[in-house]
Amino acid sequence: AQSVTQPDARVTVSEGASLQLRCKYSYSGTPYLFWYVQYPRQGLQLLLKYYSGDPVVQGVNGFEAEFIKSNSSFHLRKASVHWSDSAVYFCAVSRTGGYKVVFGSGTRLLVSP
Amino acid sequence: NAGVIQTPRHKVTGKGQEATLWCEPISGHSAVFWYRQTIVQGLEFLTYFRNQAPIDDSGMPKERFSAQMPNQSHSTLKIQSTQPQDSAVYLCASSLGANSDYTFGSGTRLLVI
Repeated sequence: AQSVTQPDARVTVSEGASLQLRCKYSYSGTPYLFWYVQYPRQGLQLLLKYYSGDPVVQGVNGFEAEFIKSNSSFHLRKASVHWSDSAVYFCAVSRTGGYKVVFGSGTRLLVSP
Repeated sequence: NAGVIQTPRHKVTGKGQEATLWCEPISGHSAVFWYRQTIVQGLEFLTYFRNQAPIDDSGMPKERFSAQMPNQSHSTLKIQSTQPQDSAVYLCASSLGANSDYTFGSGTRLLVI
């Protein structure tokens, strides 16, 4: 079965600083990987997804993630954060051919002025 | 496309009463998922349907929770004899098919008093 670990429950960064949110997955096959963001009082929204090809995948609002197979990681990055990026970020994985996505516990990002 | 629609947005029930939550998935999406989200437990998978058929209800509390999808345009989650610990945000999502990303609704915030 698949699983996802997001080791950081909370991350605080200053506006304009760079960001990395960590994600490690467990799955023996080739994973489908996702990052979602949840703003207050809203559902989750897709930021980006990866299955194959260039291991660095671009998403919305300047976010990108890098798939590193040897490390089973899919960390999310942004070069310069804005206060509006404050939200909860979820990493997720599904198996090839699977419908069900397994979510991590989420990382709450606070961008301070 | 109005996205995934969940109604009501907020629901307050007295302990022991029944609560029914509604979800209208995106037209053409073959899979519908229900999740429960709390501060303590995070995002918990409850159940999902594919082409209206129940596929996996491994996350559903067995005694008081039930879910149905009578037609392709809506799904319901019913909680009988609600308890304070059922208070949570219930999220519905739909997806196009295997390995597709989810589109989430805004959720129903249930408060049991």
